[in-house]
Amino acid sequence: DVKVTQSSRYLVKRTGEKVFLECVQDMDHENMFWYRQDPGLGLRLIYFSYDVKMKEKGDIPEGYSVSREKKERFSLILESASTNQTSMYLCASSLNGFNSPLHFGNGTRLTVT
Amino acid sequence: GDSVTQMEGPVTLSEEAFLTINCTYTATGYPSLFWYVQYPGEGLQLLLKATKADDKGSNKGFEATYRKETTSFHLEKGSVQVSDSAVYFCALATSNTGKLIFGQGTTLQVKP
Repeated sequence: DVKVTQSSRYLVKRTGEKVFLECVQDMDHENMFWYRQDPGLGLRLIYFSYDVKMKEKGDIPEGYSVSREKKERFSLILESASTNQTSMYLCASSLNGFNSPLHFGNGTRLTVT
Repeated sequence: GDSVTQMEGPVTLSEEAFLTINCTYTATGYPSLFWYVQYPGEGLQLLLKATKADDKGSNKGFEATYRKETTSFHLEKGSVQVSDSAVYFCALATSNTGKLIFGQGTTLQVKP
């Protein structure tokens, strides 16, 4: 069965810290995505990647960067965490093509104090 | 740009009631449409999808029909159960962007 694993379920960080959120998929999927989920706003796309070492900005990339050195791993980096980045972060992967369904991890609840 | 609008929640129903969650979309090109479900404490999972006009997606008793003339993809179930309590997201994807765009989500609570 498809599995997307996010390294932390809950994370508490201080303002200004550099934060790494890790995501690993075991399905050999081409595409990987990072979303944030906020009440009343649904899911908003931060960054995505269609191949190793490739990245594209989503709808809200400001304050974030990503890294994809290996096909199975996609990392989200908060260069200098701020309180408005407190959110639920969801990683997802898909096989290929825009019709492919996304497979999600269980999310990381990040609190920035 | 492309967008998805869902009905406001929360929706509260009694067990065995009929469910409709409205979803309308705006898109250039010919989108594929999806419903995802998020159970408490979990990530999202695909519930059903439709890739062209008049297609009907179905799964676990849920159904949705791709209506191009009304740009809608409403989710329905004839008899809900307590275990259906979750957040439901409508979404679209087009070959123009290759991205999945989500609605804001609708919380469903089913009471016994």
